[in-house]
Amino acid sequence: ETGVTQTPRHLVMGMTNKKSLKCEQHLGHNAMYWYKQSAKKPLELMFVYSLEERVENNSVPSRFSPECPNSSHLFLHLHTLQPEDSALYLCASSQDLGRRYEQYFGPGTRLTVT
Amino acid sequence: GQNIDQPTEMTATEGAIVQINCTYQTSGFNGLFWYQQHAGEAPTFLSYNVLDGLEEKGRFSSFLSRSKGYSYLLLKELQMKDSASYLCAVRGNAGKSTFGDGTTLTVKP
Repeated sequence: ETGVTQTPRHLVMGMTNKKSLKCEQHLGHNAMYWYKQSAKKPLELMFVYSLEERVENNSVPSRFSPECPNSSHLFLHLHTLQPEDSALYLCASSQDLGRRYEQYFGPGTRLTVT
Repeated sequence: GQNIDQPTEMTATEGAIVQINCTYQTSGFNGLFWYQQHAGEAPTFLSYNVLDGLEEKGRFSSFLSRSKGYSYLLLKELQMKDSASYLCAVRGNAGKSTFGDGTTLTVKP
């Protein structure tokens, strides 16, 4: 158990649906991240939050909308997704943005867009 | 930006030693991480290097040469459970980490 939980673990949605992914960390960390992991491709950083403020938006389409209401919770709101958005979405946290702090990953949400 | 290169696949025998290389080209460098990811699971942290040299942690060691943009992960006394994907990640600015494609290691009896 890494201390980072994600729900749901699996999600199937149509292109016109709206859904949200939830991430919660129980580690007292200050930084949280969203990554996308597709087959045959490296982990892609989507968003970085530090103390509830977004510090990085890695050219992610607006159909993905993050929300960080407090330092323990992170959401990813999804709407009008495309089939190519099907992937594993991983949440991670770290003590801080400092360079030596490793990231702790959640188990991921396996998203399928139909 | 960051460009990270590591072999796609490697195979080794149980009990042996394997070295997984990672080369990188970066516009900002604040350390290099290695993560292990078993199929269907989340990545887990293995090691961190920010200064040149070797960091040893049990059966796993990681080496960094900043001047060469090069790192390797050394796994000794391989076990079947070491079969996994090994991810090299470079930490840039503002907490941004760029990951390589990962090296899938298969350990055979």
